[in-house]
Amino acid sequence: AQKITQTQPGMFVQEKEAVTLDCTYDTSDQSYGLFWYKQPSSGEMIFLIYQGSYDEQNATEGRYSLNFQKARKSANLVISASQLGDSAMYFCAMREGFSGSRLTFGEGTQLTVNP
Amino acid sequence: EAGVAQSPRYKIIEKRQSVAFWCNPISGHATLYWYQQILGQGPKLLIQFQNNGVVDDSQLPKDRFSAERLKGVDSTLKIQPAKLEDSAVYLCATTLAGHEQYFGPGTRLTVT
Repeated sequence: AQKITQTQPGMFVQEKEAVTLDCTYDTSDQSYGLFWYKQPSSGEMIFLIYQGSYDEQNATEGRYSLNFQKARKSANLVISASQLGDSAMYFCAMREGFSGSRLTFGEGTQLTVNP
Repeated sequence: EAGVAQSPRYKIIEKRQSVAFWCNPISGHATLYWYQQILGQGPKLLIQFQNNGVVDDSQLPKDRFSAERLKGVDSTLKIQPAKLEDSAVYLCATTLAGHEQYFGPGTRLTVT
């Protein structure tokens, strides 16, 4: 079974608008972490935001926020005020168990920001 | 602070040849990961080191892939012999305290 599911292969958004990228996960662990990474066409993986399973508040980092709904096992990324430079591949990832464990990645969502 | 360094950035080889990739982690980062990213997919862990010991190599095709981390710093990943399906980007990542993993620029391997 897929541990990380990203159901949107591609998304389009107008510049300056907000966009939500979906991510659902599957785990039986009580302690886990959820991550979002951005991968531009140049190939590097850029860390965006982290949410721990015990964190009560949704994580925010600048224009990025993570909509964490534990009961639904979803961890959607919200990008506010989209910029042309946000066009990239976005990956949701999960770390199960203790800190330092491997990341399991989803298949990614290709975001295109239109001017 | 310097980031994770990887070399080479690109490599083209013929099937059945061997190839090696090198990773230099961020100074002080004890945990090092090698991921394989096939085009159109998310990265998949091949092997994880804690200092110079292997923590997780359950998804490493050990008949052809090998990796080492000398003195708990630099790491090399080797493929011998390469197959067409090994064409991918090989990403090295490191972490200090275990939350955020910092990724290198990757090595793009093409096997012809």
